[in-house]
Amino acid sequence: DGGITQSPKYLFRKEGQNVTLSCEQNLNHDAMYWYRQDPGQGLRLIYYSQIVNDFQKGDIAEGYSVSREKKESFPLTVTSAQKNPTAFYLCASSTGRADTQYFGPGTRLTVL
Amino acid sequence: QKEVEQDPGPLSVPEGAIVSLNCTYSNSAFQYFMWYRQYSRKGPELLMYTYSSGNKEDGRFTAQVDKSSKYISLFIRDSQPSDSATYLCAMIASYDKVIFGPGTSLSVIP
Repeated sequence: DGGITQSPKYLFRKEGQNVTLSCEQNLNHDAMYWYRQDPGQGLRLIYYSQIVNDFQKGDIAEGYSVSREKKESFPLTVTSAQKNPTAFYLCASSTGRADTQYFGPGTRLTVL
Repeated sequence: QKEVEQDPGPLSVPEGAIVSLNCTYSNSAFQYFMWYRQYSRKGPELLMYTYSSGNKEDGRFTAQVDKSSKYISLFIRDSQPSDSATYLCAMIASYDKVIFGPGTSLSVIP
């Protein structure tokens, strides 16, 4: 089955800790994205990558970091610099930047 | 003015009703239009995709695009409780990024 997987489904973090969210796709898509979704709000773009070893900041990149060492993988690190990290994080992929995006199931991060 | 606007709801309808969900946009360069459905605590799933003005039908769902008015709609016929979700519109201009609307929350009451 082709698709996007995210892990873990739920993640708890203590203040001051960095955590890494996993995103893997087997759709052979070049572009991958990370979004943050807060209750009652739309999707806000954190980072995106159009090709391996290259990525760009989205609208709310502060306190986050990413890497794109493999086409299939686009992990997101939420650093201790992110002031309000509790949210639902969604990973997506597409053939190209201006193509339909397909989403993973999401990771819910809670800071204790 | 935001590029894409969508009434956040919540919208509550009785089972069997016809539902109309709408988005307006300001960028006339948008050419491709999508609707996503997102169940609570899940990722959005692509529901409909269209790239031209007019209607596109898929089962109980009809997507309508009016480029002259910069207005798109999603109609759901014979709505079911399983249609209760948040519906996001999304748009693409050629060689540009995807813009998502904020979503409309729909509840279909049995």
